[in-house]
Amino acid sequence: NAGVMQNPRHLVRRRGQEARLRCSPMKGHSHVYWYRQLPEEGLKFMVYLQKENIIDESGMPKERFSAEFPKEGPSILRIQQVVRGDSAAYFCASSPVRLAGVETQYFGPGTRLLVL
Amino acid sequence: RKEVEQDPGPFNVPEGATVAFNCTYSNSASQSFFWYRQDCRKEPKLLMSVYSSGNEDGRFTAQLNRASQYISLLIRDSKLSDSATYLCVVNTRGDYKLSFGAGTTVTVRA
Repeated sequence: NAGVMQNPRHLVRRRGQEARLRCSPMKGHSHVYWYRQLPEEGLKFMVYLQKENIIDESGMPKERFSAEFPKEGPSILRIQQVVRGDSAAYFCASSPVRLAGVETQYFGPGTRLLVL
Repeated sequence: RKEVEQDPGPFNVPEGATVAFNCTYSNSASQSFFWYRQDCRKEPKLLMSVYSSGNEDGRFTAQLNRASQYISLLIRDSKLSDSATYLCVVNTRGDYKLSFGAGTTVTVRA
């Protein structure tokens, strides 16, 4: 049973470009969470999605960031017009049930975004 | 004030030593507590849950002090493979958001 998959693992963008990060949850999981880890900081919750629904995006920056989890395909975290401050590791987690405790949130290997 | 605060370390200890460190949390309504381990440039992995009465998992012992709002992790008989960053994670019951500390780095030397 494959774990949570994220790609790309590393992404380099120049300021002003767009970044698209993909997350495929574990088989049978319909809940996806995105976290961001800035250098020397803890992971910070960004957004919680179910298939075709954004449940909670309270941790998302108001501008340039968006997320989706379509009926088919992976969840996408999209960052438009990237700036150097967006450089971070972006982790996706998935779970089979809502309001999961941490035991049932499984993390992917992360995408490391570097903005030049 | 940060939701979860940890001493960043690093804690440099020889093999076989005991090392212990704490984390404090600000939300008194927090109900679930965990220690995660994060190896360099990898994803966090659950190490152990922390229960009110304290609990052990092999060489690892976790304690919870609700009155003072801190949790601790103790590692006995340290191994080289214990070198990692240990993340304190707090979850308020019914809330799927996990609050992570910035981590405590432990380096075990031969």
